Amino acid sequence: DAGVTQSPTHLIKTRGQQVTLRCSPKSGHDTVSWYQQALGQGPQFIFQYYEEEERQRGNFPDRFSGHQFPNYSSELNVNALLLGDSALYLCASSFPGHLSAGANVLTFGAGSRLTVL
Amino acid sequence: DQQVKQNSPSLSVQEGRISILNCDYTNSMFDYFLWYKKYPAEGPTFLISISSIKDKNEDGRFTVFLNKSAKHLSLHIVPSQPGDSAVYFCAASTYGTGNQFYFGTGTSLTVIP
Repeated sequence: DAGVTQSPTHLIKTRGQQVTLRCSPKSGHDTVSWYQQALGQGPQFIFQYYEEEERQRGNFPDRFSGHQFPNYSSELNVNALLLGDSALYLCASSFPGHLSAGANVLTFGAGSRLTVL
Repeated sequence: DQQVKQNSPSLSVQEGRISILNCDYTNSMFDYFLWYKKYPAEGPTFLISISSIKDKNEDGRFTVFLNKSAKHLSLHIVPSQPGDSAVYFCAASTYGTGNQFYFGTGTSLTVIP
């Protein structure tokens, strides 16, 4: 059973460019969350997708956007890249997604390492 | 605004001894807590969880303790093994927020053979 898969694993961009990161959740999971982990820091919540909609959003600017597809996979898009966007971007999936279910364990992918030059 | 804090960036322990990793939080609304382990070049791996209705949860060599009044939780690993060497993160969430977790900055554990 494949866990959470992310692509690409590494990428290098220059300031001002745009990037798209992709995530396939663990089989049976319906919710995808994205986290940013800067060097020496813990993961920071960017946003979460459930039923193809952004449900929760952390303290990140609108340059960060995403999408969830009917098969539950997700994309994270970052526009107008800044040097400070260099980080490991982690995708995590979970189930069930409805709020009344309470919090659930997140299953993480290995991440996409973004370097902005 | 760091709502979850791990004040010890690193910890070294001899193999076979107990490892104690600490985590403090400021938001009294947090009611579900997770510990993750992370090896280099891998994503965080779930270790153990605890909800606020409990003060202790055990799973094999791992035990998590929760002190709600002190807003403090700890992870005990007994006995520690060299393979436990990794970065450990605690994370906290509130019911009804749809799995939005706040993570600490991590503690790097080294178990010395």
